Amino acid sequence: KAGVTQTPRYLIKTRGQQVTLSCSPISGHRSVSWYQQTPGQGLQFLFEYFSETQRNKGNFPGRFSGRQFSNSRSEMNVSTLELGDSALYLCASSLAGQGSTGELFFGEGSRLTVL
Amino acid sequence: DQQVKQNSPSLSVQEGRISILNCDYTNSMFDYFLWYKKYPAEGPTFLISISSIKDKNEDGRFTVFLNKSAKHLSLHIVPSQPGDSAVYFCAASKNTGNQFYFGTGTSLTVIP
Repeated sequence: KAGVTQTPRYLIKTRGQQVTLSCSPISGHRSVSWYQQTPGQGLQFLFEYFSETQRNKGNFPGRFSGRQFSNSRSEMNVSTLELGDSALYLCASSLAGQGSTGELFFGEGSRLTVL
Repeated sequence: DQQVKQNSPSLSVQEGRISILNCDYTNSMFDYFLWYKKYPAEGPTFLISISSIKDKNEDGRFTVFLNKSAKHLSLHIVPSQPGDSAVYFCAASKNTGNQFYFGTGTSLTVIP
């Protein structure tokens, strides 16, 4: 069974640009979550999508957005990039439905560097 | 506001000995806790979980203990092996969806 696939793995952008990251969950998983990992901050929750609907949202500015498609694939977008957006962006998929908890399966991440 | 805290950024242990990784949380609504292991250049992988109705869960060399009154959980690895060297994250969630709060991680080094 294929794992969670994230593309691109590495990318470099400059301040003010925007970026789109993609995530393909494990087949059959309907929940996709996004996390930002920076040194000293651990993994910070960005948002979670379930059946194309954003179900939870973390404390990030509106420059961070996402969406989920009918095949459960998800994208996240960061507009007007700032130096502080440099981080590893991790996508995780899960079987979990509303009101339940479940193990998250993570992709390898997209390493974003903002210059 | 960091609701899940791992106050030890790093830990070194001799091979064969016990590794104890600690995690504290502030939100009493958390009712499900997990530990993840992360190697460099890889995504975190699930290790072990515990529900708030239990105080201990064991899986092979890994045991997680939960002390709800102290809002504290710990992961014990016995015996520690060099392959256990990685960053360990604890995570917690409320039963309202799939939002997990992660700690900042503890880097474990097991010395051969």
